[in-house]
Amino acid sequence: QKEVEQDPGPLSVPEGAIVSLNCTYSNSAFQYFMWYRQYSRKGPELLMYTYSSGNKEDGRFTAQVDKSSKYISLFIRDSQPSDSATYLCAMKHPNFGNEKLTFGTGTRLTIIP
Amino acid sequence: EAGVAQSPRYKIIEKRQSVAFWCNPISGHATLYWYQQILGQGPKLLIQFQNNGVVDDSQLPKDRFSAERLKGVDSTLKIQPAKLEDSAVYLCASSLEGRSPLHFGNGTRLTVT
Repeated sequence: QKEVEQDPGPLSVPEGAIVSLNCTYSNSAFQYFMWYRQYSRKGPELLMYTYSSGNKEDGRFTAQVDKSSKYISLFIRDSQPSDSATYLCAMKHPNFGNEKLTFGTGTRLTIIP
Repeated sequence: EAGVAQSPRYKIIEKRQSVAFWCNPISGHATLYWYQQILGQGPKLLIQFQNNGVVDDSQLPKDRFSAERLKGVDSTLKIQPAKLEDSAVYLCASSLEGRSPLHFGNGTRLTVT
């Protein structure tokens, strides 16, 4: 079993829709959770960074962490064609000095105008 | 602020040949990472440097891969000899210190034929 599971998609939704992206994980030691966006032929860029359980909102993006279910989500409101990209979840242990991130496989998202 | 620079952007080699990739991190970033991203998968950490010392190289195939970070700034990753399964995008990332968010370069896409 992989430490982090993510549906690879592809996922296509119409412009303006709410998008829900999810990851599950098996290692209860993960405490830091991130979402990265990766455009084609570009490196990943950090979208959201959360610690432990709860919600975090930044503009049209909301990240949710449910540690009891080992489940994290990213919601995109009012989706735009520019949101079309691959979204990677990532997580790490609180082991300061060794910041190894464990990534999901990524979900490829297309927003249809 | 200039981002993480990587070169070359693309490289095609035959199996058993050698290849080297170069990375220049964001100025002042002490921590540097090399990740391997195989098509359809999330990035996997190969090696992490703190200044010019190695923090984690547990997933680096040391029989064929080597990396160095001279003077705690630029870094090179070398593969010798290359195998077909080394075809991937090699991403360099840097962070201000171990606990800070990672900033990725756009990667070097390696094709081994």
